[in-house]
Amino acid sequence: DVKVTQSSRYLVKRTGEKVFLECVQDMDHENMFWYRQDPGLGLRLIYFSYDVKMKEKGDIPEGYSVSREKKERFSLILESASTNQTSMYLCASSTGTGTWRRNYEQYFGPGTRLTVT
Amino acid sequence: AQTVTQSQPEMSVQEAETVTLSCTYDTSESDYYLFWYKQPPSRQMILVIRQEAYKQQNATENRFSVNFQKAAKSFSLKISDSQLGDAAMYFCAYRYLSGTYKYIFGTGTRLKVLA
Repeated sequence: DVKVTQSSRYLVKRTGEKVFLECVQDMDHENMFWYRQDPGLGLRLIYFSYDVKMKEKGDIPEGYSVSREKKERFSLILESASTNQTSMYLCASSTGTGTWRRNYEQYFGPGTRLTVT
Repeated sequence: AQTVTQSQPEMSVQEAETVTLSCTYDTSESDYYLFWYKQPPSRQMILVIRQEAYKQQNATENRFSVNFQKAAKSFSLKISDSQLGDAAMYFCAYRYLSGTYKYIFGTGTRLKVLA
C-alpha cells in the first residue's frame, strides 16, 4: 500500500522559531510537493522537487525553504515562523516524466496543522 | 497562466440522490490531465477520478463520473447514489504534460450529504 507520511499531525510553535516539517514517501517517486491549505484558498504550492537536491519555487515560497537530500524525504523549513504561517501543510508525491502516459496521480500525506503563536 | 475555478463553495445532496460539482479551467495547452480529489474531514486527500485531455470518452469510476467538455474547458464531477461517506471537500486539479511539474488546484467544494 502506497504511503506518504508527515512527521506531525499537529504542531504549535512560537513566533520566530525555526520549524521543520518532514515528509517521507515509500513509492520511489521522483516528484515531491509542499502545499499550504487555507479555507477559501484551496491548495497553494510552496515548493516542489523533481529530483534529489533539485527544487523549484511554487506560488508562495516567501518565508519557506526546502531540502531534499534523499529521494524519499522532502523537508519544509520555516526559517522564522510568523503568525501568518498558521495553516494546514500538505505533502504530496507523484511519478515524474520520462515514461509515456504515466498517471501522474498525486499521493498526499495526512497533513500537519501548524499553529504559530 | 493556468487557472482552475470551482464556483460552488458548498453543496448539499440528499442521501441516494445525484449531485454534480462544477469545475472550469483556463489553459492554452492541448494536452493535460484533470483530476478530482476528495478530502474527508480530518482524513487524507485521495484521488477520485482522472481524465486525460486527449481522450474524448468521459472517465467513470463506480458511482463517480465526469463530464469533460474540452472546448468549453469544463470538467464536472457527478456523484450518483450519494452516500454519507461521500461528505468531504472536493478539489478539482489540472496538470499539464510539458514543462513544469506543477498541479493547479481549485478552491474546493464542500459537499454535505443529508440523511
